[in-house]
Amino acid sequence: SYVLTQPPSVSVAPGQTARIPCGENNIGSKSVHWYQQKPGQAPVVVICYDSDRPSGIPERFSGSNSGNTATLTISRVEAGDEADYYCQVWDGSSDHVVFGGGTKLTVL
Amino acid sequence: QVQLVESGGGVVQPGRSLRLSCAASGFTFSTYGMHWVRQAPGKGLEWVAVISYFGNNKYYADSVKGRFTISRDNSKNTLYLQMNSLRAEDTALYYCAKSVERLGGYFDYWGQGTLVTVSS
Repeated sequence: SYVLTQPPSVSVAPGQTARIPCGENNIGSKSVHWYQQKPGQAPVVVICYDSDRPSGIPERFSGSNSGNTATLTISRVEAGDEADYYCQVWDGSSDHVVFGGGTKLTVL
Repeated sequence: QVQLVESGGGVVQPGRSLRLSCAASGFTFSTYGMHWVRQAPGKGLEWVAVISYFGNNKYYADSVKGRFTISRDNSKNTLYLQMNSLRAEDTALYYCAKSVERLGGYFDYWGQGTLVTVSS
């Protein structure tokens, strides 16, 4: 079965760049979506189809996907970016949605 | 504006049943796939099930297959999740989510969730 691997935590100082990886064999062949979830709130999509930014999402959020790793990049990190981030794909071979385990972004 | 409002959660004993509902508004419900996603306390997101817009395609996570049934009533703009033979590990906040595609793609709207607690 498809398993998406994320680091449990990433820490970054304000103003720096955070990179959150999502790994699986040949993930580059799939479309990857990223969600931000703050405590007590439902998830919100921040990147869709690898690198598209939905309306209302700051340009500081970007995504890439190639080979065995997809990456969510947050530039000029702000305190308000502190949240859990999840990657997600649709596995067409099993008709299942797969989420990564989530990464807690801490802004130091 | 799009709204998804879940209901039906509560405390239930192991082995019992519960039916969740998700009332949708603000979009043409019958033209989008709909999903249930759950989140156990302090844990990550876990996909549960999907139903296509006409309800003729349904798929389930292995952890709930054979116990949960997803359905929809397009005349009532409502999504359902019938949960049978509940286990302690089914305890979670259950979200309904709207897909941008027939089955897959990403979730552009989520409800606020309904809490299911399975405990004796």
